[in-house]
Amino acid sequence: GAVVSQHPSWVICKSGTSVKIECRSLDFQATTMFWYRQFPKQSLMLMATSNEGSKATYEQGVEKDKFLINHASLTLSTLTVTSAHPEDSSFYICSALSGDNTDTQYFGPGTRLTVL
Amino acid sequence: DAKTTQPTSMDCAEGRAANLPCNHSTISGNEYVYWYRQIHSQGPQYIIHGLKNNETNEMASLIITEDRKSSTLILPHATLRDTAVYYCIVKNQAGTALIFGKGTTLSVSS
Repeated sequence: GAVVSQHPSWVICKSGTSVKIECRSLDFQATTMFWYRQFPKQSLMLMATSNEGSKATYEQGVEKDKFLINHASLTLSTLTVTSAHPEDSSFYICSALSGDNTDTQYFGPGTRLTVL
Repeated sequence: DAKTTQPTSMDCAEGRAANLPCNHSTISGNEYVYWYRQIHSQGPQYIIHGLKNNETNEMASLIITEDRKSSTLILPHATLRDTAVYYCIVKNQAGTALIFGKGTTLSVSS
């Protein structure tokens, strides 16, 4: 149980285009999901908290107009990188908060974004 | 959330127990100790968590000192597939996100 999927697993796009990444909790409902990104040889950095049916909460320094987050259902959150640039190339990872009282986060496999 | 301190790296021989320490001297009474690991180019994997009692599951054991200022994650019989970065994170159960430090890079060799 507690499986989280991401799609796509990798994507290459041209500078200036937008890319949408999906995060799904497959066998549980998640009111809260989180988005992280990870640059090479660095740790995960929290970008935003996504709550179903409400606006996402962004961490300091993360542009909300550039990284659009939609959490329209209890099993799906999407991250859209708008007008992507090479510096947005990174490993994007989502997680979903378990619906039980353990407060455990389950992570997706990640999406490798390369912007040319 | 309380901060944690972990060694940068550790080595372990295959088949031996891997004992990964974590210091969290400023932990609060309502904060849990969570352990995750990240194998290269994958999302983090949940291992185990605990409040004050020792915990064991199919992956590992978690030993928390009586004063809760430190803990040890034990992989009883390390395999090559256990090579990963291990993160010790302290947080309460308020539905907030895990904040990752640098973790410990465990290298298991044959």
